[in-house]
Amino acid sequence: AQTVTQSQPEMSVQEAETVTLSCTYDTSESDYYLFWYKQPPSRQMILVIRQEAYKQQNATENRFSVNFQKAAKSFSLKISDSQLGDAAMYFCAYRSPDDKIIFGKGTRLHILP
Amino acid sequence: GAVVSQHPSWVICKSGTSVKIECRSLDFQATTMFWYRQFPKQSLMLMATSNEGSKATYEQGVEKDKFLINHASLTLSTLTVTSAHPEDSSFYICSAHIGGSYQETQYFGPGTRLLVL
Repeated sequence: AQTVTQSQPEMSVQEAETVTLSCTYDTSESDYYLFWYKQPPSRQMILVIRQEAYKQQNATENRFSVNFQKAAKSFSLKISDSQLGDAAMYFCAYRSPDDKIIFGKGTRLHILP
Repeated sequence: GAVVSQHPSWVICKSGTSVKIECRSLDFQATTMFWYRQFPKQSLMLMATSNEGSKATYEQGVEKDKFLINHASLTLSTLTVTSAHPEDSSFYICSAHIGGSYQETQYFGPGTRLLVL
């Protein structure tokens, strides 16, 4: 069975600094998608970044980038120039070939002014 | 981007009553929708996969007779919590899948907060 593990329940970062959120997963599939979702206090799930497993190049979206290590089954999220609006719960997620998404337990990110 | 709506956004009901939650894809058609449940300070747990025109597929441990799912059209899926009890109080989130392209992803609704008294 596929699993997603986020080992950091909470993290804090100073505004304008860089922070990295960790995620590991387990699967026997070779083709899949990985995601980072942000859930602010409104609880609306917001897609931050997507990575296709067949692509070796790490995905980037403005201040957000990932370090995808397929062999190690690692998928970390780096947030550069952290802003107050980045404070939220961040979920790492794996999408299996049958379209089901499995979420990690989440990392709560605090931004210190 | 794609928009998914949910109605109602919050609902309070008495124990023993049934509650229906609607999930709509507003600007696209979704052959597959998913229903999740999220308890406070916890992650999203997949409850079931809703397929247009066919029976829903439930995850292990989810009572299909208690959580009735209907996907009557390509833009609407409903979740009915039957004979609700206080332990059913939770945050319910739906998502709609856009597939068949390189932009495969799921778009989430804003969620429905259910409180059973």
